[in-house]
Amino acid sequence: DTEVTQTPKHLVMGMTNKKSLKCEQHMGHRAMYWYKQKAKKPPELMFVYSYEKLSINESVPSRFSPECPNSSLLNLHLHALQPEDSALYLCASSQGTSGGSSYEQYFGPGTRLTVT
Amino acid sequence: AQSVAQPEDQVNVAEGNPLTVKCTYSVSGNPYLFWYVQYPNRGLQFLLKYITGDNLVKGSYGFEAEFNKSQTSFHLKKPSALVSDSALYFCAVRDYGQNFVFGPGTRLSVLP
Repeated sequence: DTEVTQTPKHLVMGMTNKKSLKCEQHMGHRAMYWYKQKAKKPPELMFVYSYEKLSINESVPSRFSPECPNSSLLNLHLHALQPEDSALYLCASSQGTSGGSSYEQYFGPGTRLTVT
Repeated sequence: AQSVAQPEDQVNVAEGNPLTVKCTYSVSGNPYLFWYVQYPNRGLQFLLKYITGDNLVKGSYGFEAEFNKSQTSFHLKKPSALVSDSALYFCAVRDYGQNFVFGPGTRLSVLP
């Protein structure tokens, strides 16, 4: 099973709302990622968790807050977002992130976020 | 720093013809190279990867890719294109200790 699931599929929120995106994988992967993707552009890395510890934060604004409750779950908490944050948010997982790793990443279907 | 270039924004090919989607890379060490496909409003699907060994890598859905170290290229190929292959294709690279860097993407249109 190479499935990564994400909920919700679509989310519309106002700039004062607080919401959360959820991601789950049951492949035993120890690394999980959040990406932001604008239309017709490549995914941009936001956060990387390796063995449930945040290892890379690509200087993302604090209105995005990741959480990794366990090795299978990844959340992205959203607060006070701006309209320019509207995008497709993708979760991915891989077996690891150790140096020299050849592991591919498996992506979920994404959450389409619209900030009004 | 590592980087990936996909020189063509758009590739058009007739159904049944061979297709090629180009990718060139720049890394400081030995590269790990990947191809992904993305259908509209969907996540990225892994197609294939090059780690080491045979320069011709076979992947999912009849796709293959040819690694050329001297030209620093990793072009995606398929002998006979299908209309259902129409999608956005991303090349990605990872070198030692780094995360994925994606190319800008190439939109493939297969015309019936």
